[in-house]
Amino acid sequence: GAGVSQSPSNKVTEKGKDVELRCDPISGHTALYWYRQSLGQGLEFLIYFQGNSAPDKSGLPSDRFSAERTGGSVSTLTIQRTQQEDSAVYLCASSSQHGAREKLFFGSGTQLSVL
Amino acid sequence: SQKIEQNSEALNIQEGKTATLTCNYTNYSPAYLQWYRQDPGRGPVFLLLIRENEKEKRKERLKVTFDTTLKQSLFHITASQPADSATYLCALISGNTGKLIFGQGTTLQVKP
Repeated sequence: GAGVSQSPSNKVTEKGKDVELRCDPISGHTALYWYRQSLGQGLEFLIYFQGNSAPDKSGLPSDRFSAERTGGSVSTLTIQRTQQEDSAVYLCASSSQHGAREKLFFGSGTQLSVL
Repeated sequence: SQKIEQNSEALNIQEGKTATLTCNYTNYSPAYLQWYRQDPGRGPVFLLLIRENEKEKRKERLKVTFDTTLKQSLFHITASQPADSATYLCALISGNTGKLIFGQGTTLQVKP
């Protein structure tokens, strides 16, 4: 696609419910990243994929968070039993490959609100 | 511990002046450092990348410096315009897996 697409753009859920956030990266990009941004804060790294594998999951806050990527393309971030502290903007980014010189292209994010 | 620090206070300047934003890091030895711009409600947008052996990099009205001795990068916008108002983030690679870590960003407000 022309850019990184994330859906939904906004999600309101009740505490304890599960949510799925979707990221459609730029076509041909092999690396895909998930970040979380709380109000007025910087970006918190969650996980990244190279192809379908996730070499670094160190940023996932708890075992309620999981992510997968299939076909080297679309990725889904799942949060189980959501808590109020999960409320944030979840940003997805992709790059043509993984590396220090690679610039990231970000989507507009999913604003998650847990009531 | 590893840290990337940007001035959390907003920077307010007058149109036409040069804005200078600072990024300091500790316990990293990055080969590259990146700068991004983020507007409200949007994801960050890549601006510039500078290598450790480059002292300075320019792109139009933007200039980035990288001092690996001071562990600091400076980001300059010359002849600033109200449209430059945004949050600016620095980022560098951390660890063996190479994840990109961001500073918390500095908000720039350019007044007409």
